[in-house]
Amino acid sequence: DAMVIQNPRYQVTQFGKPVTLSCSQTLNHNVMYWYQQKSSQAPKLLFHYYDKDFNNEADTPDNFQSRRPNTSFCFLDIRSPGLGDAAMYLCATSRETGTGGAADTQYFGPGTRLTVL
Amino acid sequence: AQSVTQLGSHVSVSEGALVLLRCNYSSSVPPYLFWYVQYPNQGLQLLLKYTSAATLVKGINGFEAEFKKSETSFHLTKPSAHMSDAAEYFCAVFGAQKLVFGQGTRLTINP
Repeated sequence: DAMVIQNPRYQVTQFGKPVTLSCSQTLNHNVMYWYQQKSSQAPKLLFHYYDKDFNNEADTPDNFQSRRPNTSFCFLDIRSPGLGDAAMYLCATSRETGTGGAADTQYFGPGTRLTVL
Repeated sequence: AQSVTQLGSHVSVSEGALVLLRCNYSSSVPPYLFWYVQYPNQGLQLLLKYTSAATLVKGINGFEAEFKKSETSFHLTKPSAHMSDAAEYFCAVFGAQKLVFGQGTRLTINP
């Protein structure tokens, strides 16, 4: 089945220790997104890639960075995690973005829950 | 700018009862609307989407939603609740090249 895969599902890191979260997709979609979701809140978009073009949200902290080495993979790097970065991180994909049509539908992975000690 | 408002952060119904989760949208253009469900420690799963083809949209797991332009609403319903429906539900609208989510409604099912 075509899908969005996130690894690991649970990640524990120490305060200030860099961490990388991974997302891969078999949908061959152009767009890949990273969201942060804190407890009992809606997902918050951090950034997205359209192919190799990176689009950062204005309020995403510099501590968060991303890499997309190829169509299938996208990584979220947190350079110096703080206690406030503990959250669920969701990866999503869509075929297109901004067309206003069915191609904009986003498909989500299962998420990685990050704990910062 | 497009936005959605979900009325009620918590909804509790008895097993077998009607489920009604409310969502109102604000959009200056014909909206593109979604309902997603999130089970504990899981990602978001698409329940259904409104693409302007039909005002009554049927989704997975017996859910459906009706787009009412006059009321700017896109409420989610299911005729008979099941214990497995307990989850968080998010309404979303596509705007400014991104999904804009409501704050979510936590649905509890009482046996």
